[in-house]
Amino acid sequence: EADIYQTPRYLVIGTGKKITLECSQTMGHDKMYWYQQDPGMELHLIHYSYGVNSTEKGDLSSESTVSRIRTEHFPLTLESARPSHTSQYLCASRDREDSPLHFGNGTRLTVT
Amino acid sequence: GNSVTQMEGPVTLSEEAFLTINCTYTATGYPSLFWYVQYPGEGLQLLLKATKADDKGSNKGFEATYRKETTSFHLEKGSVQVSDSAVYFCALRRVDTDKLIFGTGTRLQVFP
Repeated sequence: EADIYQTPRYLVIGTGKKITLECSQTMGHDKMYWYQQDPGMELHLIHYSYGVNSTEKGDLSSESTVSRIRTEHFPLTLESARPSHTSQYLCASRDREDSPLHFGNGTRLTVT
Repeated sequence: GNSVTQMEGPVTLSEEAFLTINCTYTATGYPSLFWYVQYPGEGLQLLLKATKADDKGSNKGFEATYRKETTSFHLEKGSVQVSDSAVYFCALRRVDTDKLIFGTGTRLQVFP
């Protein structure tokens, strides 16, 4: 069974604040991903990593940044949150190209 | 380019009704195709997949057949249950990368 954890589950924060969304997996997967999910449900890839010290931007431009210092940890940071950042953020991982993505339960972010 | 088109929801059915959720794709080469399901308050889970033409993926009573001639991967279930209420995402994995491209999702609501 997949073990990928995201915290916090819900976050309401004011404009201008710096936030970090946590994502950890205990499966030893090299590949990790961040998706932004619109209120209308559409998923957009915003960042991915193929291993330690490897990060790439995804298909949707995002003001967030990520880091991958440890295999199991892939945090996402917003330096200055804005209302346009309000969304659900889903973290995922996989071990091989032909294996399925394992998703966390998401962080629902609201910026007021 | 590569894209996935799903029928718009919500799809509303009575328990034991037949379900079809349409999915068509545009891609170069022969991508792998997937259906993911998102239950309320959770991340996405792989429901089924097919990796080549005429393959049929199946799981939990759901089926989908990879139709190259119609570039389709429609999801079907013969008799839905209330517990099937969720959002269903069709996705393809690009041949040139391992990134997934998701459709916009279709919400299914099953009433007793």
